[in-house]
Formats: sequence, C-alpha cells, structure tokens
Amino acid sequence: KAGVTQTPRYLIKTRGQQVTLSCSPISGHRSVSWYQQTPGQGLQFLFEYFSETQRNKGNFPGRFSGRQFSNSRSEMNVSTLELGDSALYLCASSSGQGIAVYTFGSGTRLTVV
Amino acid sequence: DQQVKQNSPSLSVQEGRISILNCDYTNSMFDYFLWYKKYPAEGPTFLISISSIKDKNEDGRFTVFLNKSAKHLSLHIVPSQPGDSAVYFCVAGGTSYGKLTFGQGTILTVHP
Repeated sequence: KAGVTQTPRYLIKTRGQQVTLSCSPISGHRSVSWYQQTPGQGLQFLFEYFSETQRNKGNFPGRFSGRQFSNSRSEMNVSTLELGDSALYLCASSSGQGIAVYTFGSGTRLTVV
Repeated sequence: DQQVKQNSPSLSVQEGRISILNCDYTNSMFDYFLWYKKYPAEGPTFLISISSIKDKNEDGRFTVFLNKSAKHLSLHIVPSQPGDSAVYFCVAGGTSYGKLTFGQGTILTVHP
C-alpha cells in the first residue's frame, strides 16, 4: 500500500511569508502527527490530529497551526516565517490507537531566507 | 527537559560485530518504545518496538532489551552490516499520550 506522502519536498520562502505543507497518510490511518527536525533541536513534536481534531500539541508558538480533513489528509501552516523555521518537517501517520507504529513521510525541507 | 536520552552521539563498529545502542528515559508514563533508523533527507523508518510489559523483543538481526526498573533500553544489531550505517533514534510512546518523544539520535557507522 502507498506510504505517507508529503508535498512539496522542497520549499524556499522569505521571512514574513506564510507556508502550507501537505500530508496524505496511509489509507485507513486516522492519526497524523507533525514533527520538526533541526540540527540543534533534533526531532520535536508539533501536533497530532485524530479524526479531524487536534489531540495533542507540542511547545511551538501559535504561528504553527494545522488541520485535518475528513479523508485524514492534513495540512500544516506556518505564518510570519522566521529564519529559525528553516527545518525538515516530517509527517507521520498511524492508527492512532493502542501501541501505534508511526510511519513517516520523506519530509518537506523548508528554507527561509 | 530531555525525557529520552541517547548519551552516545556516535558509535563505530566493524562489520560482522555487534552494535549496541543505548537509551535512557525519565517519564514513567511511557508504555512502549520504538527504534527508528534515519538516512539523510529521508523520514525515519520503523525498526522494532517493545511494550513495557516485555523485557525483550527480537526481529531478525535486531533485538531490543528493556529494563523498566532502570528506565533503560538498548538495541542490539548482530551481525552489523555496512548498510546499517545511519542515525538511530530511540523513541518513547504512551498509549494515552498520542505523540512520540524522540531521543537525540546516535550515528552508527559500520566499517567493512
């Protein structure tokens, strides 16, 4: 079956702009989580959506937001981009229940200039 | 507050020998653990998991050991192969948590 698909793979934006990243989970998975990976901070949890509701949230400012659609696809939005937002953004999907194995997409590499 | 710690940033091993990657955690709410492998510019790939009710889980060349009293787990790779060279993340999850907590990762290099 198809894996987790993230689009776009690469993105370059300027400071102050906003950006929307997309994630299509594995068919049947109802949970989608977003992570930010930077060299200094490692992999940091942003938020998780389950059945269109945000179920968990990490310690990121309100400029980072997300949503999930009825088909479980998810989008992440970052407004008023800062240089420090440059990172690899990873999306992971799972059944969202019990001991869940998360399957990750290949990520979106965002560069803010 | 680093709830999952991988104290060795890197590990170098000869092909055919055993690789042992270690991980410590502090939060007793975690009730399952996973190891992920990551290559540059790719997402992490699931390797093996273990529930907190077990102390060992084996899958081919990979074995994970869990010592709950010490809040310590380790991943053993036997025999190590050059293709195993990657970053390995120790990851903790909670069935009531809904998120994964990653360690900082250990860079494993297996020399031919």
